[in-house]
Formats: sequence, C-alpha cells, structure tokens
Amino acid sequence: EIVLTQSPGTLSLSPGERVTLSCRASQTINSMYLGWYQQRAGQAPRLLIYGASNRATGIPDRFSGSGSGTDFTLTISRLEPEDFAVYYCQQYGTTPVTFGLGTKLEIK
Amino acid sequence: QVQLQESGPGLVKPSETLSLTCTVSVGSINSYFWSWIRQPPGKGLEWIGHIHYSGDTYYNSSLKGRVTISVDRSQKQFSLKLTSVTAADTAMYYCARHTYLWGNDYWGQGALVTVSS
Repeated sequence: EIVLTQSPGTLSLSPGERVTLSCRASQTINSMYLGWYQQRAGQAPRLLIYGASNRATGIPDRFSGSGSGTDFTLTISRLEPEDFAVYYCQQYGTTPVTFGLGTKLEIK
Repeated sequence: QVQLQESGPGLVKPSETLSLTCTVSVGSINSYFWSWIRQPPGKGLEWIGHIHYSGDTYYNSSLKGRVTISVDRSQKQFSLKLTSVTAADTAMYYCARHTYLWGNDYWGQGALVTVSS
C-alpha cells in the first residue's frame, strides 16, 4: 500500500497569502496518478488537480500542482476566503487507492 | 455534468449489514469505474473499493472481505454492502466516479451512516 504523508497538518494563514502544501509518497508514484482534492466544511471533496499538475474543469488558475517521484506539492498563489478548507492528496494508479490525511487551512 | 446520489438507511445496528445505493442521474454509467469512499466523523478519506461498469471489482483489503460492490447498468446504479458492521464503520459514505486519467472527478453529496443499537 502506498502511504501518502501530508504536511503540515494545519496552517493558519490570511487571505491574499501564498501557500504550498506537501504530499510525500512512501514509494515512487507515476505522476499521472496523483490528484489533489479540496473539502470545504460540510461538503463532499472536489477534484482540483489530476495528473499532478492539471487543473480540473472550472478550477481557478491560482491553484497549481507540481512534483514527481515521491514528492508533490499544491500551491495556491493568493488565498481567497473560500479556499480555507481541507486539502487531500490521492494516488489512484494502484489499488488500494490511498489518500493523505489532509492539510487544513484556517484563517489567521 | 454527471450527478450522483447516495441512498440508504442512516442507522444500522451492530453486526448487521450496511447497504447503500448510488444513482447516476445524469451521465452514462458505461466506460467508467465507480467508487465508494468513506469518512469517519472528523477524520480523513478512506477508499472502500470500486467497480468497473463491466462488473470487475477492486476492494480495500483492510475491510477484511466484508465488502461487496455491485452494478446495475439498466438502472444506472451501483451498490455497496458492508457486513458485520461495528461502531468503527460509522461514517459519511460517498459514491464517486473514478477514471485513471482524472481520479475521482464527480462525487455524490454523501450519506451519513451511524452504527448503533
């Protein structure tokens, strides 16, 4: 099973700031199969990024993903109020599909 | 725009079987995989398994053989059965579409299932 470790667990930030979230895999992942999801309070997760760096339909360009091998990042260039949520990385190339434990962005 | 909706009992007794159905109300059920994912209160996401529209299934072995996922293409539905439930199975259960290109690109709103006597 591929374990995904996300860091940090929680970040306190202000609107307008730039943030980079980390996702590290326990073994090499084909970057085609790495995704990022946003989950706002009380809502289902929403796909943000697929294939490590491709924005899903309708996702603003302030969200960007990068990485390869075992290290991947999600960057939000300028935080909007609606971006304060929990972010999960996921590998979906092998079963079991696995998720990281998430990084929570909270308003400072 | 694909739309998915979970349905089923919100309360299940310990040792009984949890049963949920996901209806694909908009979009085709063909040519894709269909997932079940759960989230205990205040915790992260756990993949339960997924099924190809043809019927091939893939399960999380951590659930120790308690899971069955099936598909009814004529009804545009797929279903989850989880046997011998305990309080640890209390969670929000999501259905979602899965592709190897996009991951889980469409999700249902979730169904909260509580295991309690």
